[in-house]
Amino acid sequence: EAQVTQNPRYLITVTGKKLTVTCSQNMNHEYMSWYRQDPGLGLRQIYYSMNVEVTDKGDVPEGYKVSRKEKRNFPLILESPSPNQTSLYFCASSLSGGGGNTEAFFGQGTRLTVV
Amino acid sequence: ILNVEQSPQSLHVQEGDSTNFTCSFPSSNFYALHWYRWETAKSPEALFVMTLNGDEKKKGRISATLNTKEGYSYLYIKGSQPEDSATYLCAFRSGAGSYQLTFGKGTKLSVIP
Repeated sequence: EAQVTQNPRYLITVTGKKLTVTCSQNMNHEYMSWYRQDPGLGLRQIYYSMNVEVTDKGDVPEGYKVSRKEKRNFPLILESPSPNQTSLYFCASSLSGGGGNTEAFFGQGTRLTVV
Repeated sequence: ILNVEQSPQSLHVQEGDSTNFTCSFPSSNFYALHWYRWETAKSPEALFVMTLNGDEKKKGRISATLNTKEGYSYLYIKGSQPEDSATYLCAFRSGAGSYQLTFGKGTKLSVIP
């Protein structure tokens, strides 16, 4: 089954404790991205990747890191989480390297709480 | 940061009513416009990807139109059903050198049986 898989689905952590949210897709998609969703603000793009070893900042990259060492995986790293990073996170992938003219497939979401 | 606006923010309709909502985006440097349906506790799912001015797309009772020159897209739902209740998101991709997809805040549709 074609899918984007995120882990964990739910996470409660403490301020400053490094964490990684994993994202994997099995569709051989070139473009992958991370979004956060906050009430009243909609989906905002954190980082995106056009292909292996090619990443770029979205609209809200501060406090996050990403890597794309393999085509299928695009982990989101929070080196020192803070309470303002409490949010619902989505990973998404799409076929084309441009990420624009093909639909995005979303993971199940990760609800992160930083206390 | 690009400005993508959706209206209305929320909408309640009776079962069987037809409805429509709007996505406004920058009219310059257009590349693509996406529509997604997002049900509570699930992930957004793609409805349409539109790339050409004048595009009309249809999937069952849902259709969408695109006007890139004036910077808007309409989503129509004919004969709304309770299962259409969801948040509908549009997303804009500029052709001006950025590969970002910018989402609107969505229109939350509630269909009353």
